[in-house]
Amino acid sequence: DGGITQSPKYLFRKEGQNVTLSCEQNLNHDAMYWYRQDPGQGLRLIYYSQIVNDFQKGDIAEGYSVSREKKESFPLTVTSAQKNPTAFYLCASSISGGGGGYEQYFGPGTRLTVT
Amino acid sequence: GDSVTQMEGPVTLSEEAFLTINCTYTATGYPSLFWYVQYPGEGLQLLLKATKADDKGSNKGFEATYRKETTSFHLEKGSVQVSDSAVYFCALLTDSWGKLQFGAGTQVVVTP
Repeated sequence: DGGITQSPKYLFRKEGQNVTLSCEQNLNHDAMYWYRQDPGQGLRLIYYSQIVNDFQKGDIAEGYSVSREKKESFPLTVTSAQKNPTAFYLCASSISGGGGGYEQYFGPGTRLTVT
Repeated sequence: GDSVTQMEGPVTLSEEAFLTINCTYTATGYPSLFWYVQYPGEGLQLLLKATKADDKGSNKGFEATYRKETTSFHLEKGSVQVSDSAVYFCALLTDSWGKLQFGAGTQVVVTP
């Protein structure tokens, strides 16, 4: 089955620690995205990558970092510089990051709690 | 900049009732429009989409028509079920680099 996997589903960390969230897709999609969702709010874009070895900041990139060394993988690191890291994180992918109206497919999400 | 406005929830209705969730947008150019659904604790699933004016997207009994003159993409379903209880997000996609702009989401609660 093709799809997007995110692991783990729940993640707990102490304040001051960096943490990396995994995102893998086997859809052969070029573009991948990371979103953050807070309770009662829509999704906000953290980072996106249109192609391997290239990525750009989204609307709320501060305190986060990413890499795109393989087409299938787009891990997100939440650093200690992120002021309010507790949130639900969603990874998505699409055939292309350019025009064409291509929909994005989402993974099941990782709920990160930092105390 | 681009933006999406959708009606606030929660929307509570009885099984078999008619559902409408309003969505309006502001965008430059000619965006594609989407409705996504999120069940509790899960990621988002694409419900339907429309890529040009007057297109109607439909899936699982849900429909939405891309109205350029009113910049709207309202979601409708004629007869809801308890299993339709979820949060629904309207979103637009610009032509530039694939950024999805989401509305705040509308929670729908369907009671038996």
